[in-house]
Amino acid sequence: DAGVIQSPRHEVTEMGQEVTLRCKPISGHNSLFWYRQTMMRGLELLIYFNNNVPIDDSGMPEDRFSAKMPNASFSTLKIQPSEPRDSAVYFCASSKDRALNSPLHFGNGTRLTVT
Amino acid sequence: SQELEQSPQSLIVQEGKNLTINCTSSKTLYGLYWYKQKYGEGLIFLMMLQKGGEEKSHEKITAKLDEKKQQSSLHITASQPSHAGIYLCGADGTSGSRLTFGEGTQLTVNP
Repeated sequence: DAGVIQSPRHEVTEMGQEVTLRCKPISGHNSLFWYRQTMMRGLELLIYFNNNVPIDDSGMPEDRFSAKMPNASFSTLKIQPSEPRDSAVYFCASSKDRALNSPLHFGNGTRLTVT
Repeated sequence: SQELEQSPQSLIVQEGKNLTINCTSSKTLYGLYWYKQKYGEGLIFLMMLQKGGEEKSHEKITAKLDEKKQQSSLHITASQPSHAGIYLCGADGTSGSRLTFGEGTQLTVNP
């Protein structure tokens, strides 16, 4: 299995631009998660989906952030407009289901720099 | 929300030494996970603990969950440079919300 695949690995953009991060979960996994990691705040859960439906988006910082999962094999996290404080590593993870005993498998992340 | 405190924040050991990392929760743990992260990479799943008193091992790494299910420890025996990285504990919330993480422990193993 290829694991969770994220693209791009690195993104550098100017303040005000739209940024789209992409994720392909592990085949057969029904739950998908977006996390953000920074030195100051550590690893924060932004949103998670189960069977393509958003279950908990309470971690999404503000309306500039949106996430979609149009099908079981693809998800996007969009920031519009981007700001320098959005600079972070964004991780996507998937698990077999939403049960509490189902480990998450992480992608290698997208390092976002907003100048 | 589930708050997890890890200690120490960083650790430097000589190759061959044993070490322990702790993870303490403000609430009862219903699922405790240990992950390892190398710089610039994603998190690698190590182990999951659910029952009070449970202990699991993988190669030279052993993790335990105490009987009260509010603290877990990760123990590495005879550390090697390949063990270096950031170790994070994560836990599921009681309301069904998924994994929140501690701030991590940065481990350096000097050859």
